[in-house]
Amino acid sequence: QVTLRESGPALVKPTQTLTLTCTLAGSSLKSNGMSVSWIRQPPGKALEWLARINWEDVKIYNPSLTTRLTISRDTSKNEVALMITDVGPLDTSTYYCARTRPAPRGLGWFDPWGQGTLVTVSS
Amino acid sequence: NLLLTQPRSVSESPGKTVIISCTGSGGDIDTYGVQWYQQRPGSAPTIVIHDDNERGSGVPGRFSGSVDISSNTASLTISGLQTEDEADYYCQSYDRGSVTFGGGTKLTVL
Repeated sequence: QVTLRESGPALVKPTQTLTLTCTLAGSSLKSNGMSVSWIRQPPGKALEWLARINWEDVKIYNPSLTTRLTISRDTSKNEVALMITDVGPLDTSTYYCARTRPAPRGLGWFDPWGQGTLVTVSS
Repeated sequence: NLLLTQPRSVSESPGKTVIISCTGSGGDIDTYGVQWYQQRPGSAPTIVIHDDNERGSGVPGRFSGSVDISSNTASLTISGLQTEDEADYYCQSYDRGSVTFGGGTKLTVL
């Protein structure tokens, strides 16, 4: 059974760089077909997909945020990290990581999700 | 790019059937498949339907998905409504290199 857990700072200041970590259990990041995405949700608002990394270390990003995002992995720790540069109040969100299941069409679907971690951007 | 539009809220009584719509604009909704997620208050989303009409593991048969190409609309149907179905529901697809979510629909089971 695959589980994911997010970790990171609860509070960051504007203009800083935010780094979040997703720890995967129950499977290896190097397993064929394993992909992990980051998705966020501002308080009371809708979900927004950010980035995905797969078992071959191929990375894709939300085009509207690509200049500020970096997704990476540490296979020795079975962790996926997401870095967001130059954060502002609009980056205040709950950040989720989720396994991205392959699909016949498109990027795939997200299951399971981690419990999420709330990050507030404020001075 | 594909934009997915959902009603902000729907409500129905226990035991009844409700349909939540997800209308695509700026692209064909069925090109890359549609997924549906349930999010209860204070919890992470969980998969309900993937690839238009496939139920996620453990999802009751009361949940079903469909796509109407003529109206570019995907639908999530929940029959035999139960109070535990009260949640936010999000549709999701993919277009031109990015994942798109709908704005979410709050389902109230009265």
